[in-house]
Amino acid sequence: DAKTTQPNSMESNEEEPVHLPCNHSTISGTDYIHWYRQLPSQGPEYVIHGLTSNVNNRMASLAIAEDRKSSTLILHRATLRDAAVYYCILRTYSGAGSYQLTFGKGTKLSVIP
Amino acid sequence: SAVISQKPSRDICQRGTSLTIQCQVDSQVTMMFWYRQQPGQSLTLIATANQGSEATYESGFVIDKFPISRPNLTFSTLTVSNMSPEDSSIYLCSVAIAGLNTEAFFGQGTRLTVV
Repeated sequence: DAKTTQPNSMESNEEEPVHLPCNHSTISGTDYIHWYRQLPSQGPEYVIHGLTSNVNNRMASLAIAEDRKSSTLILHRATLRDAAVYYCILRTYSGAGSYQLTFGKGTKLSVIP
Repeated sequence: SAVISQKPSRDICQRGTSLTIQCQVDSQVTMMFWYRQQPGQSLTLIATANQGSEATYESGFVIDKFPISRPNLTFSTLTVSNMSPEDSSIYLCSVAIAGLNTEAFFGQGTRLTVV
């Protein structure tokens, strides 16, 4: 299985930018890098994904290293509502038009008022 | 996007019994996944239930224990059979549309306690 490595926890001050790192040294050429977050007592929520180029959306930015062995999720201004567990996941093709998301342990982000 | 409704949202069950969890999606989707999340842990994939094929189970999960139905493109069920306290977990349904550049959507989960 394609695996990712993330810090167990991080802290950020409210309204400060947050950079959440992820290592995925075993990534293959067809794997997409996905980020999801899980707020307490909720199912995971999609944040962003990318393949090779950096990506931006209304929630966050995703910076992907040139060799694709690492990536960084960037929250531009952390709010209290961003406190969650953030999962960096490789979406791997599993054949017959299907794919899998294999969750690692994630990073628990705490936001300090 | 896809909105997922899971039922029940929580249940307390006696050991040795079975519980069927329902997953209803508001749009047709090709891929459906069932996950288990034990307290304080990450998500573990139980099985993938795609359109037109039998469910594919991950290592450590078997059909006799976790039978899955996928009667159409908007509905699936997961049954947890012959339950023991070790089956106490949150069970989550997830869906996606096949394609190279798509995201997955998750239900709110079913919190199961086996006593």
